[in-house]
Amino acid sequence: AQSVSQHNHHVILSEAASLELGCNYSYGGTVNLFWYVQYPGQHLQLLLKYFSGDPLVKGIKGFEAEFIKSKFSFNLRKPSVQWSDTAEYFCAVNEGRSSASKIIFGSGTRLSIRP
Amino acid sequence: NAGVTQTPKFRVLKTGQSMTLLCAQDMNHEYMYWYRQDPGMGLRLIHYSVGEGTTAKGEVPDGYNVSRLKKQNFLLGLESAAPSQTSVYFCASSPPGLSHGYTFGSGTRLTVV
Repeated sequence: AQSVSQHNHHVILSEAASLELGCNYSYGGTVNLFWYVQYPGQHLQLLLKYFSGDPLVKGIKGFEAEFIKSKFSFNLRKPSVQWSDTAEYFCAVNEGRSSASKIIFGSGTRLSIRP
Repeated sequence: NAGVTQTPKFRVLKTGQSMTLLCAQDMNHEYMYWYRQDPGMGLRLIHYSVGEGTTAKGEVPDGYNVSRLKKQNFLLGLESAAPSQTSVYFCASSPPGLSHGYTFGSGTRLTVV
């Protein structure tokens, strides 16, 4: 079965610091990869996704992620974080050939930004 | 443009009571999903549906039932609520192919005492 690991449970950074959140998945076939963000009290919103092509994917709000197939990783990055980036971030994977489009989510990383 | 609407937003149940959570989407999406979110565990798939009249089990289906009688609605039922079902429940929908990922509802916070 697929699984998604996010090893950082809580990350605390100062404003303007660089961010990298780790994500590893366990499925060896074709995958679609996602990062979702959940701001306090809100529902999940799509930050970015990778289906195929350029492994460096750019999303909204200055976020990007790099798919490294050999490492089964899809790490999220942002060069300079802002206080408004305080949220919980979820990595997720979908088996590319799945007929049901099920997405498996990681346990999430809580990001706290000090003003 | 409502997207995905969940009702109710909050509910407190006593152990053994039953209730139904309603999810409605107006985007004509084929696929719908119910997840529960618990601290430190992310989102876990309860049940899902790939079309009207069809449902299937996800990772954590025990204690829940679902129905998709109309394409736009996906109901999640708890027949006999237990404290372990205290959680935040999210509904999501998508077209086949996940070209835009899921669209999520705003969630239902359920407490079972």
